[in-house]
Amino acid sequence: DQQVKQNSPSLSVQEGRISILNCDYTNSMFDYFLWYKKYPAEGPTFLISISSIKDKNEDGRFTVFLNKSAKHLSLHIVPSQPGDSAVYFCAANSGNTPLVFGKGTRLSVIA
Amino acid sequence: ETGVTQSPTHLIKTRGQQVTLRCSSQSGHNTVSWYQQALGQGPQFIFQYYREEENGRGNFPPRFSGLQFPNYSSELNVNALELDDSALYLCASSPDGTSGYTFGSGTRLTVV
Repeated sequence: DQQVKQNSPSLSVQEGRISILNCDYTNSMFDYFLWYKKYPAEGPTFLISISSIKDKNEDGRFTVFLNKSAKHLSLHIVPSQPGDSAVYFCAANSGNTPLVFGKGTRLSVIA
Repeated sequence: ETGVTQSPTHLIKTRGQQVTLRCSSQSGHNTVSWYQQALGQGPQFIFQYYREEENGRGNFPPRFSGLQFPNYSSELNVNALELDDSALYLCASSPDGTSGYTFGSGTRLTVV
């Protein structure tokens, strides 16, 4: 069973527009959510996170929204840049339990 | 030392063989986790070590084993390799086992 789901394998967005990446989870024990970005031939790089006590966290062009009742979170990137093209993974955990990852969404930002 | 380094970057092994993958964690990072990322999938948790003892394990058979050393390095050993073991293996370290994990670039293992 997949506890963290990213239902869109890929997303294409024009440069300057908003990118919205979505993630759903099933485990109500998760209380910490993260987004990682991965370029080819590199390991995942931490991007932004959010605790379950919040519903929004912003860091520059990146904002993560959490809807606990819907067990849904999203990552907004605005404005999108060509360098944002990568695979984005949603991950979640509870306390110091291992991270559980989704399958990833490949974002392509077109110039 | 900063960052997490993994070796080798690529490896080809024959079915039935054994393999050892290595990871050098950031100094002070007492927790190391290993993940397997198959093609088109997200990283799947294999196991975690804290201060040289295994303190968590995912749904992987016993032929996947590991070690963590006092110098913040660690190993992932896989015995009796199967074709489905072909994947990217990622090492991640954390100072305290919470969510502040730093990942290495991974080892791409191909089993033929």
